[in-house]
Amino acid sequence: SQQGEEDPQALSIQEGENATMNCSYKTSINNLQWYRQNSGRGLVHLILIRSNEREKHSGRLRVTLDTSKKSSSLLITASRAADTASYFCATDEAGTGNQFYFGTGTSLTVIP
Amino acid sequence: KAGVTQTPRYLIKTRGQQVTLSCSPISGHRSVSWYQQTPGQGLQFLFEYFSETQRNKGNFPGRFSGRQFSNSRSEMNVSTLELGDSALYLCASSLVGGRSYNEQFFGPGTRLTVL
Repeated sequence: SQQGEEDPQALSIQEGENATMNCSYKTSINNLQWYRQNSGRGLVHLILIRSNEREKHSGRLRVTLDTSKKSSSLLITASRAADTASYFCATDEAGTGNQFYFGTGTSLTVIP
Repeated sequence: KAGVTQTPRYLIKTRGQQVTLSCSPISGHRSVSWYQQTPGQGLQFLFEYFSETQRNKGNFPGRFSGRQFSNSRSEMNVSTLELGDSALYLCASSLVGGRSYNEQFFGPGTRLTVL
């Protein structure tokens, strides 16, 4: 299956610091998305990057995509306590339409 | 617009029973996908429905089934429940689905516990 893997599995930082998490996947993709999940709740869509894009910004979020390495990174700048959550990457394997494969997630804790 | 709603939010069942979960997508959205989330396996795709037809299916046994109604509301059913079916079941809706990308909006999930 296409399931991606996030790295690290857990990350703990001080408020104001930057947080970087990585995602690796296995096959060719159409898009890669990042989601946030607060403890045991639904997922919130953060940002989408298409396979022909290399970098995308949204507020304090910066996403990069390297299709040659089949990897993506999510950078959260100037982190806040409210950023504490689990972060997942999701890919849709080329040709499979709306079927998304989620990574294992990075648990981020931002200490006030 | 109201978001994706899922009912019930919490459910406790015993092994061998069957359960039906419901998902109401955002108004106008025609694609509904279901996911199972467990600590061990993470988020796994169950199936996607579009215009009352199952378009994509994940790697789950036949005990897991679903359907979609003409108003795009969807239900998923799990028969002969097993302990391992305990999970958070998430529903996501998107405008179109299929080969065209559309952002998926997730509901809060149904927490199923099988005793």
